[in-house]
Amino acid sequence: EPEVTQTPSHQVTQMGQEVILRCVPISNHLYFYWYRQILGQKVEFLVSFYNNEISEKSEIFDDQFSVERPDGSNFTLKIRSTKLEDSAMYFCASSEARGVNNEQFFGPGTRLTVL
Amino acid sequence: AQSVTQLGSHVSVSEGALVLLRCNYSSSVPPYLFWYVQYPNQGLQLLLKYTTGATLVKGINGFEAEFKKSETSFHLTKPSAHMSDAAEYFCAVTLKGGGKLIFGQGTELSVKP
Repeated sequence: EPEVTQTPSHQVTQMGQEVILRCVPISNHLYFYWYRQILGQKVEFLVSFYNNEISEKSEIFDDQFSVERPDGSNFTLKIRSTKLEDSAMYFCASSEARGVNNEQFFGPGTRLTVL
Repeated sequence: AQSVTQLGSHVSVSEGALVLLRCNYSSSVPPYLFWYVQYPNQGLQLLLKYTTGATLVKGINGFEAEFKKSETSFHLTKPSAHMSDAAEYFCAVTLKGGGKLIFGQGTELSVKP
């Protein structure tokens, strides 16, 4: 069964460093998403991406964040200069289309720890 | 603005007992509602969803949920808990066009033998 994969499963970094979180969406999916969950808090939407551009982003997704689909399979989230408060579980998701009848499939997440 | 509240961050039931996980939403427009489950070290998996039509929706693994507009609720139930149901459960809402999901804070379900 097709699935969304994410690497690494756990990333530890120093404050101020750049990190890139990687996702491989399901191959025929066209819409891609990043969410995050700070420990003990809600899963929060960060950004959605379609046709090689951002279609929607939240207030959290400031200039420190960027997304890219560098090739036909990967979808990446870059944090340019990490802060302590960026420590969270980051989930990638993909869907075949956008409507509510199109399920978002989630990856297992990358736990980011900023020291 | 839309929001979701899940009552109880941790629920514990005995095997065979009723499972009830509570979810209330706030939305200025008709919502589309979802329950996701996350097993350890796995991604979120869709359990069930309500879009339109019948307000009682059935999902995988024997779970069901009822959309009650008057109570702004979408509680998740299962008549008889199984050990394999132990996981974290997330309620979510989105607008008609789909796109971003707005999640509740999650409820961890434990099942005792």
